[in-house]
Formats: sequence, structure tokens, C-alpha cells
Amino acid sequence: NAGVTQTPKFQVLKTGQSMTLQCAQDMNHNSMYWYRQDPGMGLRLIYYSASEGTTDKGEVPNGYNVSRLNKREFSLRLESAAPSQTSVYFCASTRTVQETQYFGPGTRLLVL
Amino acid sequence: QQQVKQSPQSLIVQKGGISIINCAYENTAFDYFPWYQQFPGKGPALLIAIRPDVSEKKEGRFTISFNKSAKQFSLHIMDSQPGDSATYFCAASKKTSGSRLTFGEGTQLTVNP
Repeated sequence: NAGVTQTPKFQVLKTGQSMTLQCAQDMNHNSMYWYRQDPGMGLRLIYYSASEGTTDKGEVPNGYNVSRLNKREFSLRLESAAPSQTSVYFCASTRTVQETQYFGPGTRLLVL
Repeated sequence: QQQVKQSPQSLIVQKGGISIINCAYENTAFDYFPWYQQFPGKGPALLIAIRPDVSEKKEGRFTISFNKSAKQFSLHIMDSQPGDSATYFCAASKKTSGSRLTFGEGTQLTVNP
């Protein structure tokens, strides 16, 4: 039982490049989330998926797209990376409303 | 627009002391208030959570105090230990928005031996 896994752990991009961050959970959770963490700003919600087949914007969605591939997997795509997207990205999942959110280990992204 | 404000930004406590972190929220529709603990290089993990129908919840050395009228809640860590050194985040959510959490800015706690 691995919980929430994220790949890659670390990535360096040049401005304008694209990439996809992968997230998978093996807890049969319904809802999945993507956050970014920046110093002094806490965690901010980028996109979330309340259930398989649905996605919604969070607090800071600009520059990102998501895909809920199936119940297990939720990916985050940067189409044209910008230095402002340098951050640590966390994926999380939860079984149902207002239950514990379980976080992955994070992806550290540097955009030059 | 920061709906959950957390203070202090950093806190240094001696071993055995009490650590206190405070949060204030704006949205009266919030009805679930968890605290998350994050160690360096790791994802956050749930520490303790409270709902507004109670004023206090205790789990071991960790206590949440909740003041609904003041729209404030706080985390108290009794007998703080060096192993408690981490970043702590308060958060809030409302049932009508699913499990969307709004996080505070975080507090970096250092417990000196």
C-alpha cells in the first residue's frame, strides 16, 4: 500500500517547455487534488477532481491543465512553463467529504 | 485573498515548553478545521482536526482550541520535543465545497533541546 505517489521527484525546465506531473493513489479514494507550495504562502489549490470524470478549478489554475485519467490517477500539465511556476507541487487524495487528505511526497519544479 | 491567516510565521521553543500557533478565518461557512504537520522534504500529514460544535479537542500532547464567535482556532503543543520541529499548517473547509481546503501560510516550529 504505497498511498499517494508522485513522479518525477525533481524537474528542471526551460521557460516555454511543457511537462506533465503524474499522481496516483492506491486507496480507492474518490477525490484528488493538486496544490502548489511557495514560501510564506502555504498550500494553494490549483485544480481538484471531486470524483472520477470531473475536474474543477481551484485558487490558482492559470497556466495549468489537469486530467483525471481514472479513479487512481490525476495528472497536472504545464503547457508552457514560466519562472513563476517554480514551486513544490503536491498531489493529495481523500475518500469523501471532509475526511483526511493524504499527500504525496511532492515534485520540486524549477523553471529557468 | 487569504481566507485563513496564521501566526506566527516562525516559533522557537525550548524542550518541554508549550508551543502555540494561532489561526483566524473569515468565512463563517467553514465547518471543518484541520491542522497538518510537514517535515522537510515530505508532504503534509494530518495531525488533528476539529468541527465547530466543540470548543476543544485533545489528542496526546496536541490540543486544538476553537472560538467560534471570534472566528479563531489555535494549536497547542504541550511538552514540546525536538521531534516536533516541523512546519504546521492550519486549514479550513466547508461541506458544500467538498473537501477543498484553504490553508494558512504555515508556521515553522523549532524546538531546541
